[in-house]
Amino acid sequence: QSVLTQPPSASGTPGQRVTISCSGSGSNIGSNAVNWYQQLPGAAPKLLIFSNNQRPSGVPDRFSGSKSGTSASLAISGLQSEDEADYYCAVWDDSLNGNVFGTGTKVTVL
Amino acid sequence: EVQLVESGGGLAQPGGSLRLSCTASGFTLSSYGMNWVRHAPGKGLEWVSYISSSSSTIYYADSVKGRFTISRDNAKNSLYLQMNSLRAEDTAIYYCARGRTGDRRMDVWGKGTTVTVSS
Repeated sequence: QSVLTQPPSASGTPGQRVTISCSGSGSNIGSNAVNWYQQLPGAAPKLLIFSNNQRPSGVPDRFSGSKSGTSASLAISGLQSEDEADYYCAVWDDSLNGNVFGTGTKVTVL
Repeated sequence: EVQLVESGGGLAQPGGSLRLSCTASGFTLSSYGMNWVRHAPGKGLEWVSYISSSSSTIYYADSVKGRFTISRDNAKNSLYLQMNSLRAEDTAIYYCARGRTGDRRMDVWGKGTTVTVSS
């Protein structure tokens, strides 16, 4: 059972904006930077957002991240069919002395 | 091209052992901390273990502590995960991932190797 809570699913039509939340605590999100990973069906995870709101080279600017207190969010604007995937937040937990992943959110493009 | 390739997965009996390997290319492994992450069928991602660049710092998830051992050989550009006392719940795809300091992001991932624990 993860210490980071995400909604199990989110959906939208092409072009819409979808937001995914990630709720944690003071020992993880409240103290450390949040990273987000995208896992396409049958593929390895891929770093999508790092340090709360930074995009690696090659990640479209449709993806954005934010953090406030003990929660973080990933937004996908201009939703596209290729965005159908599982999305995970992740952060270092000072109490557990380890990385923790969120429960994951499956994004469906209607 | 920066790449990580895992190997060593397979079928093991409950209580058995397996040793996973991860070979790096396109970058100098000795400059980076490394992680193992697993994905069990129908479940979310689970971080398993971390080892610093010099092996001086090692962390494990509680679920594998005392059973799994992470190690590395920088001269061989390789990372390892020795898995003992395997349980059915260890069945998963195991990924190695390059770690970065500070925000602890995992920025390069291998394609994974499948471990199945079953009698």
